[in-house]
Amino acid sequence: EAGVAQSPRYKIIEKRQSVAFWCNPISGHATLYWYQQILGQGPKLLIQFQNNGVVDDSQLPKDRFSAERLKGVDSTLKIQPAKLEDSAVYLCASSLDSKETQYFGPGTRLLVL
Amino acid sequence: ELKVEQNPLFLSMQEGKNYTIYCNYSTTSDRLYWYRQDPGKSLESLFVLLSNGAVKQEGRLMASLDTKARLSTLHITAAVHDLSATYFCAVRPWGQNFVFGPGTRLSVLP
Repeated sequence: EAGVAQSPRYKIIEKRQSVAFWCNPISGHATLYWYQQILGQGPKLLIQFQNNGVVDDSQLPKDRFSAERLKGVDSTLKIQPAKLEDSAVYLCASSLDSKETQYFGPGTRLLVL
Repeated sequence: ELKVEQNPLFLSMQEGKNYTIYCNYSTTSDRLYWYRQDPGKSLESLFVLLSNGAVKQEGRLMASLDTKARLSTLHITAAVHDLSATYFCAVRPWGQNFVFGPGTRLSVLP
């Protein structure tokens, strides 16, 4: 079974630029999560999708972050404009449903200069 | 607001020794997750504990859950270098989303 795919793996941008990350979850997984992991900390949930609907985006900085999951499969997370404090690893995870074990992708490492 | 704490945050231990990592959380929850993360890698699921008194074992790792005490433990038996990693616990109380602990960075020395 193929795992969660993410791209790009690494991204370096300057502050105030825009960036987008892509995630392809495990086939058949209805629930998709985006997490932000700052160096030395645990992952922090940004947004959760159930199929193509948003379940929880309470910790998403909506003035600069946006996410969508078209057709309930792939998802994109966008940051516009980026700030220095956005430097982190952005992890995508998926699960069969919201109570099941999450499977994490390799992450996208973002550095904002 | 749900808080998840882990103790210790850093652990250096000798090969062959035993040790326990603790995970405390502040809100009632009946399921708890343990993950492992190697440096520069993503998170790998280790255990899902679904009820009070649940105990699961895989190799040299054993996890348990006491929902009344809001405490989970991850016990390491006869540590080997391959267990060096950061271990996270995560809680998902009813009606709320996942909250991860800060992680315990384990280093097993020869």
